[in-house]
Amino acid sequence: AQSVSQHNHHVILSEAASLELGCNYSYGGTVNLFWYVQYPGQHLQLLLKYFSGDPLVKGIKGFEAEFIKSKFSFNLRKPSVQWSDTAEYFCAALIYNQGGKLIFGQGTELSVKP
Amino acid sequence: DGGITQSPKYLFRKEGQNVTLSCEQNLNHDAMYWYRQDPGQGLRLIYYSQIVNDFQKGDIAEGYSVSREKKESFPLTVTSAQKNPTAFYLCASSARLAGTGNEQFFGPGTRLTVL
Repeated sequence: AQSVSQHNHHVILSEAASLELGCNYSYGGTVNLFWYVQYPGQHLQLLLKYFSGDPLVKGIKGFEAEFIKSKFSFNLRKPSVQWSDTAEYFCAALIYNQGGKLIFGQGTELSVKP
Repeated sequence: DGGITQSPKYLFRKEGQNVTLSCEQNLNHDAMYWYRQDPGQGLRLIYYSQIVNDFQKGDIAEGYSVSREKKESFPLTVTSAQKNPTAFYLCASSARLAGTGNEQFFGPGTRLTVL
């Protein structure tokens, strides 16, 4: 069955450190890829998305992600994190032969120490 | 103010009772979804609907039921048949199911506790 895996369950960083959160999906066909963020007590929000074209996607708040088809990966990056980036991050894949169903990873909790 | 509303924010029910969670959107989106979020498991799809009067089971539909009588509304009923109903329930919508415009927007969620 198709799945999305996030390798890090909990990441702790100091402010100004660089961030990379891993995401891999298991499907060889057409996918759309997304990163969502859930700040404490807030709605799940879309950070960025990949549909086609340039594999390096830029999102809100200085985040970016790179789609590497050969590695089935869509890792999230930020060069310098802030305390306000503390949140849970979810990678998700929309697989076309599944009727447009969005499949989520398990989530990565990011804690940024001031 | 466009968006997705879910009510109530917190809900407590006794074991054996059915309970209905509300989800309304004023984004004019065709597709709507229900997810369940449990710690360490991400979000799992319960049901989704592409158009009015049509809906499909997701990965964990057992013990749940839905209706889609109006475009803007997609209520979820948690029945007594659901073995472990205590969870955080999220409703989402997208302009369409697939293709451009399929990014999903989420409501604030309902936390259901079954005592």
